[in-house]
Parts: sequence; structure tokens; C-alpha cells
Amino acid sequence: DAGVIQSPRHEVTEMGQEVTLRCKPISGHNSLFWYRQTMMRGLELLIYFNNNVPIDDSGMPEDRFSAKMPNASFSTLKIQPSEPRDSAVYFCASTTTSGRAFYNEQFFGPGTRLTVL
Amino acid sequence: KNEVEQSPQNLTAQEGEFITINCSYSVGISALHWLQQHPGGGIVSLFMLSSGKKKHGRLIATINIQEKHSSLHITASHPRDSAVYICAVYSNQFYFGTGTSLTVIP
Repeated sequence: DAGVIQSPRHEVTEMGQEVTLRCKPISGHNSLFWYRQTMMRGLELLIYFNNNVPIDDSGMPEDRFSAKMPNASFSTLKIQPSEPRDSAVYFCASTTTSGRAFYNEQFFGPGTRLTVL
Repeated sequence: KNEVEQSPQNLTAQEGEFITINCSYSVGISALHWLQQHPGGGIVSLFMLSSGKKKHGRLIATINIQEKHSSLHITASHPRDSAVYICAVYSNQFYFGTGTSLTVIP
């Protein structure tokens, strides 16, 4: 099993540019989570999906952030326009769940390190 | 005020020592997770607890719901245990501790 796959692993962009982060969950997993980690704020849950449907996006910082999951094997997190304060490591994680997504072990991807200049 | 407090923030131990990392929380929870973040940045889920105790190899995690407290124990610590250990609780939303940085010296 390849585990959770994230791309790109590193992204450097300029302020104002659109950034798209990608995640492929483990096959058979039906819940997917996007997290952000910074030195100042630590780990934060941005959004999670269950069966491709966004369940809780209360952690999405503002309208510049959007996430989609068009099918069970792919999700994107988009930032438009990007700002320097968006610089962070973004992790994607997946798990199997029958409704209570936070009761099961999550499998994390390697993360995408985003730097916005 | 942080909903999740971890102690200690930093910990250095000699190889072979027994280690305890503590997590206290202020909200009513339905699940608690212990995560391990390696020096390279990768995150591994160690345990999910809703009650009692779980053991996996040299790692033991306990939770006391009434006292709103969880501990992660490492027996016979090894340099490869050096990592940041993060406690996360779920109570209608996810709250994360700031992590305990563990260094095990050979």
C-alpha cells in the first residue's frame, strides 16, 4: 500500500498566486482530513470529508481557502489568492469510518511545505 | 486559554529510561489521539482512546475521563523514540496540544 500521497511536497510561490495542493487517500478509506501546521499555531484541522462530502469546514481560515473531493481517490485544497501568512506545512490524512470520523486511527501523508513569498 | 495542555514541553532522557508524557484537557471529549511527529516531519497516529488503556509494543496510553487527563508512557526508551508527541482531543471539533519534544540520548 502506497499510503496517503500528497503533491507537491514543496511549493514556493509569490503572494497573490493561486496554490493547489493535492491528496490521494489510501484506497478504501472513506474519510479525508486536511490539516495545517505552523510554528505559531501548531496543528489545526481545516476540513474533513466523509464519503466525498464536506462534513466540517469550520477550520478553513477564510474564503481564500477551498477544498474539494470530486471522488473517493482525490482531494484538492486551493488557496486563492495566497498570502505570506499561509506559509505552513499542509497535511492530508485518511481513515475508514462508519460515521464517527474521529474514532479511528488516521493515516497521514508526508505533507506539503508551502512557502508564500 | 488552551483547551489541551501537554507537559513537559521538552524532555531529554537516557536510553532505557521510562518516559511519561501528560495531556490535560478542559472540554468534554469523545475521543483522544496521541500522534508522533518524526524529526523529518512525518506524522504517525499512535493511539485513539475513548476510555481505559491501550498498549502497543513499548508504548502505553491511558485516559481518565473523570479527571480529563491522559498519559503516554514509553518503556525502555530508545533514541529512535526521539520525536514530538502531540495530544489531540475531539469535542465537536478537534483541539491539539502544542506537543512534547522528546530526545532520547544513547
